[in-house]
Amino acid sequence: KAGVTQTPRYLIKTRGQQVTLSCSPISGHRSVSWYQQTPGQGLQFLFEYFSETQRNKGNFPGRFSGRQFSNSRSEMNVSTLELGDSALYLCASSFRTSSTYEQYFGPGTRLTVT
Amino acid sequence: GQQLNQSPQSMFIQEGEDVSMNCTSSSIFNTWLWYKQDPGEGPVLLIALYKAGELTSNGRLTAQFGITRKDSFLNISASIPSDVGIYFCAGLPLLDFNKFYFGSGTKLNVKP
Repeated sequence: KAGVTQTPRYLIKTRGQQVTLSCSPISGHRSVSWYQQTPGQGLQFLFEYFSETQRNKGNFPGRFSGRQFSNSRSEMNVSTLELGDSALYLCASSFRTSSTYEQYFGPGTRLTVT
Repeated sequence: GQQLNQSPQSMFIQEGEDVSMNCTSSSIFNTWLWYKQDPGEGPVLLIALYKAGELTSNGRLTAQFGITRKDSFLNISASIPSDVGIYFCAGLPLLDFNKFYFGSGTKLNVKP
């Protein structure tokens, strides 16, 4: 079974621009979560989508948004980029049963804002 | 919000030594996951735990779900250079069962 895929792997943008990141979850997984990882702040939860609905949201400004499509693929958008948005953005897909709940990460998108 | 305290923050050990790290929380969790992350890559799921007292192994790695349900432990036996990386714990709280919380990571360095 293929793992979580994220595109692009690397991205360089200029302050003020916007960016869209894409994530394809593991086949059969309906939950997709997004995280921001920086050396100083560690893994910070952005939001989670399940069946095209945002189910959870972290403490990030409205410039960070996401969506999920009917095939469970998800996109994350950051508008009006700031230097502090430079980070590794990780997507994770989850699968839950009555007794288990596992979350698998993609390789990440490294975003550099100049 | 929930916080997971992971310790130690970093470790420098000799190849062949055993390693222990742990995560603690102030509230009850019903799932613990342990991950390893290599530089520039996403975390890889190592072990998942679902019951208090549960002990699960994955090769040289063994993790335990604490009896109080507020902590978890990861042990690596006979470390090798490829064990180098950052190890994260993640927990699913009993009362917020749709959102994982993460520890700050333990950076492991292994000297050959």
